[in-house]
Amino acid sequence: GAVVSQHPSRVICKSGTSVKIECRSLDFQATTMFWYRQFPKKSLMLMATSNEGSKATYEQGVEKDKFLINHASLTLSTLTVTSAHPEDSSFYICSARGPGISTDTQYFGPGTRLTVL
Amino acid sequence: SQKIEQNSEALNIQEGKTATLTCNYTNYSPAYLQWYRQDPGRGPVFLLLIRENEKEKRKERLKVTFDTTLKQSLFHITASQPADSATYLCALPYSGAGSYQLTFGKGTKLSVIP
Repeated sequence: GAVVSQHPSRVICKSGTSVKIECRSLDFQATTMFWYRQFPKKSLMLMATSNEGSKATYEQGVEKDKFLINHASLTLSTLTVTSAHPEDSSFYICSARGPGISTDTQYFGPGTRLTVL
Repeated sequence: SQKIEQNSEALNIQEGKTATLTCNYTNYSPAYLQWYRQDPGRGPVFLLLIRENEKEKRKERLKVTFDTTLKQSLFHITASQPADSATYLCALPYSGAGSYQLTFGKGTKLSVIP
C-alpha cells in the first residue's frame, strides 16, 4: 500500500518551453501532496505544499508563477515548470500523505529528471 | 532556524558489520524524526519513524535511537549486506503545531563492501 507514481520519469525540453509533471497516489487518497527538487549530491528541498482543492503554499524563494501546482483531486497533483531554463534542470520528486495511512509519514514518487537544453 | 546535520557524507563498511549513521539537529525540539533510504535516481523510501517519547525503535535489521537531550538520532543496520548500499536521509518535521512539512539532512551514502 501507499504507492505514489510520477510521470514522466525523465523529460528533456528546449529552453522557453513548459513541462508538466504528474504525481498520483495509486492506492490512497492524498489530502496533501508535496513537491521537492534535488540537485546532485544535495538534499531534498521542499518547493511547495498543496492541499486538495486549495492553492499551494510555496516555500520562500520559490516562484509560484514559474512552478504552477494544481491539486484538483485526491489522487492527482501536477507541477508545471513554465518557460523552463537550463537552471531549472533538476530532479523533481513528489510525496503524498493522507487519511488511512500513517499521518506523519510521506510516501514519495520515483522522481522526474528534467533536463532543459 | 532548525538545522539538521548528518555528519558523515559517506561511510564504507565491511559486509556483516553494523553500520551506524548519525543525525544531529539544533534549534528546536521535534515531536518525531524519520529515516529514509534513497537509491540513485529514485525517490526516498520511508524506513522508520521514532517519536520524542520513544528511546529506541526496531524493524528487522534496523534500529533507531532518539536522544532528545543530545538532540541526536542514531540509525543502525546490523549484519549489513551489499544490498543495503544507498543514501540514508534523516528528516524532521517543521516546527509548529500540525505541520507536516519535512526538512531533510544531506544524507549519508553507505557502501557495504563484500
